[in-house]
Amino acid sequence: ILNVEQSPQSLHVQEGDSTNFTCSFPSSNFYALHWYRWETAKSPEALFVMTLNGDEKKKGRISATLNTKEGYSYLYIKGSQPEDSATYLCASRAGDYKLSFGAGTTVTVRA
Amino acid sequence: DSGVTQTPKHLITATGQRVTLRCSPRSGDLSVYWYQQSLDQGLQFLIQYYNGEERAKGNILERFSAQQFPDLHSELNLSSLELGDSALYFCASSGGSKNIQYFGAGTRLSVL
Repeated sequence: ILNVEQSPQSLHVQEGDSTNFTCSFPSSNFYALHWYRWETAKSPEALFVMTLNGDEKKKGRISATLNTKEGYSYLYIKGSQPEDSATYLCASRAGDYKLSFGAGTTVTVRA
Repeated sequence: DSGVTQTPKHLITATGQRVTLRCSPRSGDLSVYWYQQSLDQGLQFLIQYYNGEERAKGNILERFSAQQFPDLHSELNLSSLELGDSALYFCASSGGSKNIQYFGAGTRLSVL
């Protein structure tokens, strides 16, 4: 089981501010890094899948970067809105088919 | 709506009992994954099936078993239930090369 860590565990952001948080994962035998968004009382929803070192993905105000050599990914939220409040999960996939999830970063956007 | 259907939504049972959780994947997806989320724990991978065959195994207890049927739906069987088995059980399916997983709404199991 891969050791995927996310920090911080939670954060509070003022509406309109930007924020970012980290996912670290073992860099050996890396295959892919996934980001999921998990709103309360709903199921996790895929945001991005990244495979190449230096990859950057963007979806609206949310973007992510990937560094496979050092084993980390950042997720950025620009101009946070209340609807961005959710738990953001990252998951790493090694050479097998399993996704190992981090514990998540819970983002609360204050209006 | 992810297209993944899980039933039942809630299940309340007693220790020592056996339950079956059901998952219907998105149309066309061959892979089904089962995850457990206990209180204060992240998503723990249990097991994956691909087109009816077991493909990967995670932290699945021996008291738990799963299968995927010819119509690709999957069932997770939990037996000799203990209080600690109370959790949210998610099923996910995937079908493309990127292995993006689409999650069902989950089954909340309460063992009393």
